[in-house]
Amino acid sequence: AQRVTQPEKLLSVFKGAPVELKCNYSYSGSPELFWYVQYSRQRLQLLLRHISRESIKGFTADLNKGETSFHLKKPFAQEEDSAMYYCALSSTGTASKLTFGTGTRLQVTL
Amino acid sequence: GAGVSQTPSNKVTEKGKYVELRCDPISGHTALYWYRQSLGQGPEFLIYFQGTGAADDSGLPNDRFFAVRPEGSVSTLKIQRTERGDSAVYLCASSLSASGRAFTQYFGPGTRLTVL
Repeated sequence: AQRVTQPEKLLSVFKGAPVELKCNYSYSGSPELFWYVQYSRQRLQLLLRHISRESIKGFTADLNKGETSFHLKKPFAQEEDSAMYYCALSSTGTASKLTFGTGTRLQVTL
Repeated sequence: GAGVSQTPSNKVTEKGKYVELRCDPISGHTALYWYRQSLGQGPEFLIYFQGTGAADDSGLPNDRFFAVRPEGSVSTLKIQRTERGDSAVYLCASSLSASGRAFTQYFGPGTRLTVL
């Protein structure tokens, strides 16, 4: 069975501070990992996926297969980063559902 | 262009009633997904269509839930004999392809279902 764990329901940081949103997964095959974000009153949208190896809005995430983690990081938090963040996984290369974690609310304060 | 749309945005019904939730995917997207999101939880997969056929319905909780996509575009999620536990936000997503780099799922705004 595949599972995604986001241990923090809420992460509160000051503007300009580094951010790390934790994500651990359990999957027997070769997973593809994603981070989705939901800003207030907006729909869920893709932030980044590990195969793209992109940096979106200053966020990066590295897949660590040894630790089965895919933590989301940003060196300097901005107020506009305040949102709900979901880590998700699917099977690689096949048509497949996304399995989501329970989400972490990031709150960036002045 | 237009994103994924869902109607209605809110639906209040009574226990035991039948409801239909509609999803209009992005034009040209062959894959369509339904998820359910309960309060405080992440989206939970229900069913996935590739074209007109249900490729994976393993997430449907029981036989009260059914979904169709007769022409390979619009999809309807149908819930019979609704129960209070069915109350949730029902999300629809579509993708251009079901695999490979075109796999990105684009989500609709959701339908909030409340069963009284």
